[in-house]
Amino acid sequence: SQQGEEDPQALSIQEGENATMNCSYKTSINNLQWYRQNSGRGLVHLILIRSNEREKHSGRLRVTLDTSKKSSSLLITASRAADTASYFCATEVDSSYKLIFGSGTRLLVRP
Amino acid sequence: GAVVSQHPSWVICKSGTSVKIECRSLDFQATTMFWYRQFPKQSLMLMATSNEGSKATYEQGVEKDKFLINHASLTLSTLTVTSAHPEDSSFYICSALLAPRNEQFFGPGTRLTVL
Repeated sequence: SQQGEEDPQALSIQEGENATMNCSYKTSINNLQWYRQNSGRGLVHLILIRSNEREKHSGRLRVTLDTSKKSSSLLITASRAADTASYFCATEVDSSYKLIFGSGTRLLVRP
Repeated sequence: GAVVSQHPSWVICKSGTSVKIECRSLDFQATTMFWYRQFPKQSLMLMATSNEGSKATYEQGVEKDKFLINHASLTLSTLTVTSAHPEDSSFYICSALLAPRNEQFFGPGTRLTVL
């Protein structure tokens, strides 16, 4: 079963704007990860944030984690047309290393 | 490094036939691999955990007799969809767990179409 939901389900923005995607989950976690998927392709790992971390940066990506609200957000700054893809959060809930994926956000960056 | 491949990348088969999908870790050994299924415009759903040298563990609702998993070596796991039906048409993605970081690296996926 899916761990959580992401919103929005779809997001369309102009190149140069920022994109924010939110992820909510249900159970306690070891860490939360964000992935990107281009249409019909495999997954690319973007960033991992541990349960004891609140914020993490990687290039134009900024991830926050609020374990009290069981939510995370992914911010992509200064978006580019090449950022067009689906973005998924995934939670690692126990020592089995299994990942439970959220429902995903389809991002369209218009040139 | 940490590359995972899948073969085939796409396959079309007739209803009732069996299809085998391979997942290989090319430059590392993986005692644990995972198999996911993704329907169009949906998220990835974990099907099973593949353990080298032992039986796979399946998620609730996944038929182990229909989706046979064999993890015969540290670099290869196979998923066989037996007696495939059109509703099995999906995108199947595997991942391999790289120790000691315990990070999952994903294959490019296999698109299965059952006619």
